[in-house]
Amino acid sequence: EAGVAQSPRYKIIEKRQSVAFWCNPISGHATLYWYQQILGQGPKLLIQFQNNGVVDDSQLPKDRFSAERLKGVDSTLKIQPAKLEDSAVYLCASSLSSAANQPQHFGDGTRLSIL
Amino acid sequence: SQQGEEDPQALSIQEGENATMNCSYKTSINNLQWYRQNSGRGLVHLILIRSNEREKHSGRLRVTLDTSKKSSSLLITASRAADTASYFCATGDGNKLVFGAGTILRVKS
Repeated sequence: EAGVAQSPRYKIIEKRQSVAFWCNPISGHATLYWYQQILGQGPKLLIQFQNNGVVDDSQLPKDRFSAERLKGVDSTLKIQPAKLEDSAVYLCASSLSSAANQPQHFGDGTRLSIL
Repeated sequence: SQQGEEDPQALSIQEGENATMNCSYKTSINNLQWYRQNSGRGLVHLILIRSNEREKHSGRLRVTLDTSKKSSSLLITASRAADTASYFCATGDGNKLVFGAGTILRVKS
């Protein structure tokens, strides 16, 4: 089966600019996750979708981050405006369901550098 | 917040040796998962152990879980250079996973 696809792989922007990331999950996976992984740390959940509804966005900085999953398939994550502290790898993952006993399948991420 | 904490932070061994990584967590869990991350890549699911299981095997991987001590260990036997990666434990918190900071494993050939 095809894995989780993410684009772009790398992005460099200046602070206060905006940026968007795209994710295409594994076909048939109802749950989609966006994680932020800062260098040397584990992934931190930003937002979790079940189909096209939000299950958990408690750690999403909503003043600057937004995400949507139209039609319950692809998803985009946007940052506007970006801050230096947003430099990180943004990982998208998907799973068959939202149960925590489901393995998650990850894309290779987008590495974001803020100048 | 990161519930799982891996120990050690970094581990360097020779090819053929065994590697053991530990994970401690704070609250009760339903299951614990281990993932591997190669440099510049996404995480790959390795194994899931449920709270009512004490040990699980998958190929060269052996995972143990001690819920009384709130800890888990991942043993990789007969390590290979290709096992060089970061290893993360993740605990189930409701319907989401919380990842630790990981152990960096380097296997020297």
